[in-house]
Amino acid sequence: DVKVTQSSRYLVKRTGEKVFLECVQDMDHENMFWYRQDPGLGLRLIYFSYDVKMKEKGDIPEGYSVSREKKERFSLILESASTNQTSMYLCAVKPGGANVLTFGAGSRLTVL
Amino acid sequence: AQSVTQPDIHITVSEGASLELRCNYSYGATPYLFWYVQSPGQGLQLLLKYFSGDTLVQGIKGFEAEFKRSQSSFNLRKPSVHWSDAAEYFCAVVGNTGGFKTIFGAGTRLFVKA
Repeated sequence: DVKVTQSSRYLVKRTGEKVFLECVQDMDHENMFWYRQDPGLGLRLIYFSYDVKMKEKGDIPEGYSVSREKKERFSLILESASTNQTSMYLCAVKPGGANVLTFGAGSRLTVL
Repeated sequence: AQSVTQPDIHITVSEGASLELRCNYSYGATPYLFWYVQSPGQGLQLLLKYFSGDTLVQGIKGFEAEFKRSQSSFNLRKPSVHWSDAAEYFCAVVGNTGGFKTIFGAGTRLFVKA
């Protein structure tokens, strides 16, 4: 089974700072996803990628960008963090042809 | 539009009691259906899934779920809850035409009292 690692578990940033959240898988799966989790709203898809340098917007891409330069790594970027981006961010991986997501442990971001 | 509804924001059950968490979906055809569990401070873990066939599916940790097409439901059950089952539970769907997107419900937080 794939292992998904989000190295930053807790971050505190100031408004306007640039924030990088990294996600690394230990296999070679094509599909990687960034979700945002907020109480009462479940998980909402921010961006996903189905191959290196390929990306697609999800449901709430505003204020975010992503980078996938290597197959195993998918980064979420907040160009200028705002307080309404305080949230839990979850990375997930899905093998091509499968439908089950494997999640990282999450990165809890607080923007002051 | 596709959607998943979990009508209960939170549920409290006594340890040893039975549990049912409700999930209804809205989709043009029968999607693939999932239940995930999230323990505090952790990511989500797959409990069980339904793709086709037998409408009663078994998962990990003693959980099961039943797909009812006529009710567009996929309710999660466990006959006897343990304190370690306290967590948040998410129902999810994926279109069975090979789409990328998984759509999640808002989640149900389960509290277990001694």
